Amino acid sequence: ETGVTQTPRHLVMGMTNKKSLKCEQHLGHNAMYWYKQSAKKPLELMFVYNFKEQTENNSVPSRFSPECPNSSHLFLHLHTLQPEDSALYLCASSQQWGSGANVLTFGAGSRLTVL
Amino acid sequence: QKEVEQDPGPLSVPEGAIVSLNCTYSNSAFQYFMWYRQYSRKGPELLMYTYSSGNKEDGRFTAQVDKSSKYISLFIRDSQPSDSATYLCAMTSGAQKLVFGQGTRLTINP
Repeated sequence: ETGVTQTPRHLVMGMTNKKSLKCEQHLGHNAMYWYKQSAKKPLELMFVYNFKEQTENNSVPSRFSPECPNSSHLFLHLHTLQPEDSALYLCASSQQWGSGANVLTFGAGSRLTVL
Repeated sequence: QKEVEQDPGPLSVPEGAIVSLNCTYSNSAFQYFMWYRQYSRKGPELLMYTYSSGNKEDGRFTAQVDKSSKYISLFIRDSQPSDSATYLCAMTSGAQKLVFGQGTRLTINP
């Protein structure tokens, strides 16, 4: 497989559930990102990992917990979410954080619905 | 004031028309400017990338950057129904995160 792969593509969960989103990239990139995309809003950067180290956390509530075991894999652990957390969660990768154009390659996203 | 302003549309034009999509920004440190295209139920994909001011052409697509006016544009010539998508502008200084516009939803009618 090539590019950035996200699973699951769709997820429905209750507010008390615990679930995880998974992202895998086969591009040899060193930086990985989680973005939240809500209707009529710009993409919101949530977390950045550069060479497996977290470099950005944009005031994201603790009910979202990222994990980056290596440069190719990224997880977003979810627990006790709120209905307003329903959105499309996009994973992306780039060659390196904070370097030049920082062109991102995105996955197809995980559509999350919180009931 | 938002760092990047983009008219969300929706914008609907007939096939073959010239489409103009625009963004304005406030941060004079931005040097790298991108346009991403996002089809329904897909992630954004890079369409065009420009460094600093000037024009860049790729087939039917032309990206323009006017740093003095803090204004960027994407032109689509001979628009096709397959161009129907949401177009996102994005920009960065290079040392910081990519800042996205809200996205413009475009429909090309056959």
